[in-house]
Amino acid sequence: QKEVEQDPGPLSVPEGAIVSLNCTYSNSAFQYFMWYRQYSRKGPELLMYTYSSGNKEDGRFTAQVDKSSKYISLFIRDSQPSDSATYLCAMSGTGGFKTIFGAGTRLFVKA
Amino acid sequence: DARVTQTPRHKVTEMGQEVTMRCQPILGHNTVFWYRQTMMQGLELLAYFRNRAPLDDSGMPKDRFSAEMPDATLATLKIQPSEPRDSAVYFCASGLSMVDYGYTFGSGTRLTVV
Repeated sequence: QKEVEQDPGPLSVPEGAIVSLNCTYSNSAFQYFMWYRQYSRKGPELLMYTYSSGNKEDGRFTAQVDKSSKYISLFIRDSQPSDSATYLCAMSGTGGFKTIFGAGTRLFVKA
Repeated sequence: DARVTQTPRHKVTEMGQEVTMRCQPILGHNTVFWYRQTMMQGLELLAYFRNRAPLDDSGMPKDRFSAEMPDATLATLKIQPSEPRDSAVYFCASGLSMVDYGYTFGSGTRLTVV
């Protein structure tokens, strides 16, 4: 079993839909939870990060962490075609070493 | 806008040849990572450096891969000899050691070994 599990999709939604992306993990030592966005033929770029449990909102994006369930989510409201990309969850313990990435979920937002 | 620069962007080589990939981290960043991305395995950490010293290269096949930081502005990843299974996108990322999250990735080197 992988330390971080993420459904690779693809996920296809119409423009304006609410998108929910999720990851589960097994290592209770993870403290930092990140979401990266990767456009085709580009490197991943940090979208959001959360420390420990709780919610964090940034514009149309909301990240949620439930450490008791070892489950994290990223919600995208009012999705746009420009949101079409691969979204990777990532996690690390204190010290930032050995960030572990999920497989990534491919998202397509249709106009 | 600070960014991590990787060269070359694309490399096609024959099996058995030596391949060298280069990375210029963001000025001031003291932590550098090498990742490999494939469809099957996703993003895998190969090695990382802090203040130019290698801290962990356990993800790297030691017999053919080597990673170095000759100076603070250059990191290299070398494969010798290359094999078709090494075909992947190799990413370099840099960050600050006091920040435990989020690194800046380069655009990657797409390697094809035929």
